[in-house]
Amino acid sequence: NAGVTQTPKFQVLKTGQSMTLQCAQDMNHNSMYWYRQDPGMGLRLIYYSASEGTTDKGEVPNGYNVSRLNKREFSLRLESAAPSQTSVYFCASSPTTGWASYEQYFGPGTRLTVT
Amino acid sequence: AQSVTQLGSHVSVSEGALVLLRCNYSSSVPPYLFWYVQYPNQGLQLLLKYTSAATLVKGINGFEAEFKKSETSFHLTKPSAHMSDAAEYFCAVSVLYSGGGADGLTFGKGTHLIIQP
Repeated sequence: NAGVTQTPKFQVLKTGQSMTLQCAQDMNHNSMYWYRQDPGMGLRLIYYSASEGTTDKGEVPNGYNVSRLNKREFSLRLESAAPSQTSVYFCASSPTTGWASYEQYFGPGTRLTVT
Repeated sequence: AQSVTQLGSHVSVSEGALVLLRCNYSSSVPPYLFWYVQYPNQGLQLLLKYTSAATLVKGINGFEAEFKKSETSFHLTKPSAHMSDAAEYFCAVSVLYSGGGADGLTFGKGTHLIIQP
């Protein structure tokens, strides 16, 4: 049981390049999330997926797109990377949707630098 | 709307001393509250959560937190700090997203705990 896995662990991009961050979970969770973490800002939600086939914008969605490929996988795409997207990206999953007390389970993160 | 405020971006304590990390929340509904810990270059790990079953919640690694509705607080404590407790700590509250009826978490900005030998 690997939990939440993310690839790659590190990435350096030039401004304007594109890339996809991959996330997978093996806990049969319905909900999945993408966050970015910046110093002094905590975690900010980029996009989330309440269930397979649905995605919605979070607090900071500009410059990103997502795909919920199936129940296990939720990818984050940067179409044209900008230096402001230099950050650490975390994927998380949670068992259910609706108002609940379920915690989120986090992956190890992807450290992205855009030059 | 739900939100959390963590008081103090950095807290320094001596090894063996009491750890107190402060979190205040704002919620229009009875909240579910969480504390997460992040060790350097790792993801977030759940320390404990409050789900209304008991106001004093015990978590992993000797941490506990007390829910105080009158003070809208959920402060994290540990009686005796250990060097291995040095990490970033995040308080979070459940939030119902307006977009799709899903729930999630909104996080505080974090408190960096420093342990002095």
